[in-house]
Amino acid sequence: GESVGLHLPTLSVQEGDNSIINCAYSNSASDYFIWYKQESGKGPQFIIDIRSNMDKRQGQRVTVLLNKTVKHLSLQIAATQPGDSAVYFCAEIPANQAGTALIFGKGTTLSVSS
Amino acid sequence: EAEVAQSPRYKITEKSQAVAFWCDPISGHATLYWYRQILGQGPELLVQFQDESVVDDSQLPKDRFSAERLKGVDSTLKIQPAELGDSAMYLCASTQWGANEAFFGQGTRLTVV
Repeated sequence: GESVGLHLPTLSVQEGDNSIINCAYSNSASDYFIWYKQESGKGPQFIIDIRSNMDKRQGQRVTVLLNKTVKHLSLQIAATQPGDSAVYFCAEIPANQAGTALIFGKGTTLSVSS
Repeated sequence: EAEVAQSPRYKITEKSQAVAFWCDPISGHATLYWYRQILGQGPELLVQFQDESVVDDSQLPKDRFSAERLKGVDSTLKIQPAELGDSAMYLCASTQWGANEAFFGQGTRLTVV
């Protein structure tokens, strides 16, 4: 599968490969994180979330990993499909501020070729 | 499935003109956000409402932007006068009170010419 150690703005993979998208967050006090998927011309769509008291959470074909030591978040997509092509953003919320607006990181454009 | 509704989807306006965007959040969502997203970047908060009250408008350019949510339900974002640099996607999002996951609308793509 394709892996990116540092944040890169684009990631190209073949259909069926596993994709890993990375995100560095800014606030060590943040305790809630979300990954969003944004298709061209549409609003961001929720994929998966994780709280800071966890280091891993799995969904359907997606896994989010959280490394608080280095303030790093990753999204793993298994068996990537053409429909996964989109821009992916991580977002964070500072601790004890539920309802506070999300702070978005830099996006990664995932391109899946068949 | 409940959605955040925004209109119009696309808007082209000349600089110095006024423009307005409308958002209807998911029913029952007390918190409403307006974000601006410049092409190639992540969304950035403009203003946050809790019911009809502004919670955070620190990033709203108040000399030209205004937002209101008079009855605590739908909201309007206005720009007057529009400038070329205002060309962007304007996204509305809503959450239940105290929740973290924000649900986004399809956005309004503004082009200022």
